[in-house]
Amino acid sequence: GAVVSQHPSWVICKSGTSVKIECRSLDFQATTMFWYRQFPKQSLMLMATSNEGSKATYEQGVEKDKFLINHASLTLSTLTVTSAHPEDSSFYICSARPPLAGSYEQYFGPGTRLTVT
Amino acid sequence: EDKVVQSPLSLVVHEGDTVTLNCSYEVTNFRSLLWYKQEKKAPTFLFMLTSSGIEKKSGRLSSILDKKELFSILNITATQTGDSAVYLCAAVDDKIIFGKGTRLHILP
Repeated sequence: GAVVSQHPSWVICKSGTSVKIECRSLDFQATTMFWYRQFPKQSLMLMATSNEGSKATYEQGVEKDKFLINHASLTLSTLTVTSAHPEDSSFYICSARPPLAGSYEQYFGPGTRLTVT
Repeated sequence: EDKVVQSPLSLVVHEGDTVTLNCSYEVTNFRSLLWYKQEKKAPTFLFMLTSSGIEKKSGRLSSILDKKELFSILNITATQTGDSAVYLCAAVDDKIIFGKGTRLHILP
């Protein structure tokens, strides 16, 4: 149980275009999902917390107009990187937390590797 | 500022050796400390530590937390090549704050 999927697993796009990444909890409902970014040999950095039916909470330094997050249902959150630039190239990982779970209880998706050319 | 610092950043040992990975933390409202193993993709959960001095074990892996000194260690005994990975430590307050990880490479 507690499987989280992401799609696509990797994507290459041209500078200036937008890319949407999906995060789905397959066998549980997730009231809260998290989006992380990981640069090579760096730690996971929390970008934003996504709560179903409400606006995402962004971490300091993360541009909410650039990284659009939508958590329209209890099993799906999407991250759209708008007007992507090469510096946005990174590994994006989502995690999902079941209802009533402790804050530590997160199940990670497999990640999406974004390359912007 | 909340932070989690892991050491060493990288480590290369021979199969069969024992390794100790370190994690120190400074967070405002500490609740627990987590260890993850990250291979090619997303991290997989290893341990959650909440209380000081109580060792958690899973096979050849064990971990302990010292809430007074604000650190934790992860031990791996009789290492195998399959243990090669990045080991992430994370402190939990209202969110999870990750360290940069220790990149462990086990030589056959």
